[in-house]
Amino acid sequence: RKEVEQDPGPFNVPEGATVAFNCTYSNSASQSFFWYRQDCRKEPKLLMSVYSSGNEDGRFTAQLNRASQYISLLIRDSKLSDSATYLCVVNHSGSARQLTFGSGTQLTVLP
Amino acid sequence: DTGVSQNPRHKITKRGQNVTFRCDPISEHNRLYWYRQTLGQGPEFLTYFQNEAQLEKSRLLSDRFSAERPKGSFSTLEIQRTEQGDSAMYLCASSLGYEQFFGPGTRLTVL
Repeated sequence: RKEVEQDPGPFNVPEGATVAFNCTYSNSASQSFFWYRQDCRKEPKLLMSVYSSGNEDGRFTAQLNRASQYISLLIRDSKLSDSATYLCVVNHSGSARQLTFGSGTQLTVLP
Repeated sequence: DTGVSQNPRHKITKRGQNVTFRCDPISEHNRLYWYRQTLGQGPEFLTYFQNEAQLEKSRLLSDRFSAERPKGSFSTLEIQRTEQGDSAMYLCASSLGYEQFFGPGTRLTVL
């Protein structure tokens, strides 16, 4: 079993739609959680951290359920520019060391 | 541009040859990481430096792989006796806090 599992998609949604991505992690000692975005043939970039209380950044909302070891990302009013691969990421040590990435969920927003 | 830079961006080599990649992190970042990414997968951690000290190595880092960060600034990753399975994107990241900033990667193709 992979340490971080994501639905690979692809998700194809029309502009303006709301789309949700889910992720589960296996290591209960995981301490930090993130969503990274990776455009085609580009490097991953931090989209947002995920906090236990849930957090929002504009159209993006991230949630964490430690009991279920589950992380989610909700994108509202999706834009064409949101098309990318979204990577669920956990950090086990809590000391900014190695990140463990999921395989990513591919999103295409259609006009 | 003060981001993470990597050279070369592309490398094509024949099986059995040695290759070396270079990473220049963001100047004030004391932590440096190497990851490997294959098609359809998220990046996989290879190794981590804090200043010049190599503090963690993944079991993915076989004896043919060696990384250095001699003065705590740039880093090199060498692969000896390359194999076709080494073909991948090699990503470098650096950090000062929890957020890791990735370079554009070096794409290695082993023929």
